[in-house]
Amino acid sequence: NAGVTQTPKFQVLKTGQSMTLQCAQDMNHNSMYWYRQDPGMGLRLIYYSASEGTTDKGEVPNGYNVSRLNKREFSLRLESAAPSQTSVYFCAGLGTNEKLFFGSGTQLSVL
Amino acid sequence: SQKIEQNSEALNIQEGKTATLTCNYTNYSPAYLQWYRQDPGRGPVFLLLIRENEKEKRKERLKVTFDTTLKQSLFHITASQPADSATYLCAPHYGGSQGNLIFGKGTKLSVKP
Repeated sequence: NAGVTQTPKFQVLKTGQSMTLQCAQDMNHNSMYWYRQDPGMGLRLIYYSASEGTTDKGEVPNGYNVSRLNKREFSLRLESAAPSQTSVYFCAGLGTNEKLFFGSGTQLSVL
Repeated sequence: SQKIEQNSEALNIQEGKTATLTCNYTNYSPAYLQWYRQDPGRGPVFLLLIRENEKEKRKERLKVTFDTTLKQSLFHITASQPADSATYLCAPHYGGSQGNLIFGKGTKLSVKP
């Protein structure tokens, strides 16, 4: 089992460009999450999906959109990237006993 | 809104000693509280969960306590080893919506040989 897989691992964008961060899990998780992690700020929830077909905003949703394509996949889209979106992005799936299983992260730089 | 504070950004201890990390929260108690370990360049990894009605949880050299009076959780690593060096995150969950899991900023633990 691969667990939670994120692509790409690194990405550099110019201001205004768009891109989609991909996340897939093979752990049969119903719920999936997108977080961003910034120095001194900790992990902050962007969006989450409690089940296939549903999505909800987290603490910092502005500038992002998400799609829960199916049970396995939960993508995060930046329509018009801004320097403030430079961060490390983590996708996670919720397993049994409320455990979160995280991917290895995507390091995004917006110039 | 809830505020989570982890005692310090960094903690340095000698190998073999017990490391104690603190997580304080404000307002009402979480339904449960989790601790995660994060290594550089990696995603957090779940370690332990303790529920509101539990005082203490153990797993090998790890121990977590939950004091609702003090509004605090303590995370202990006994007989610490250099391999325990990492950032440890506290994550209280306030029940209801699954978006109610909040992460602290973490404490970076360094264990010196």
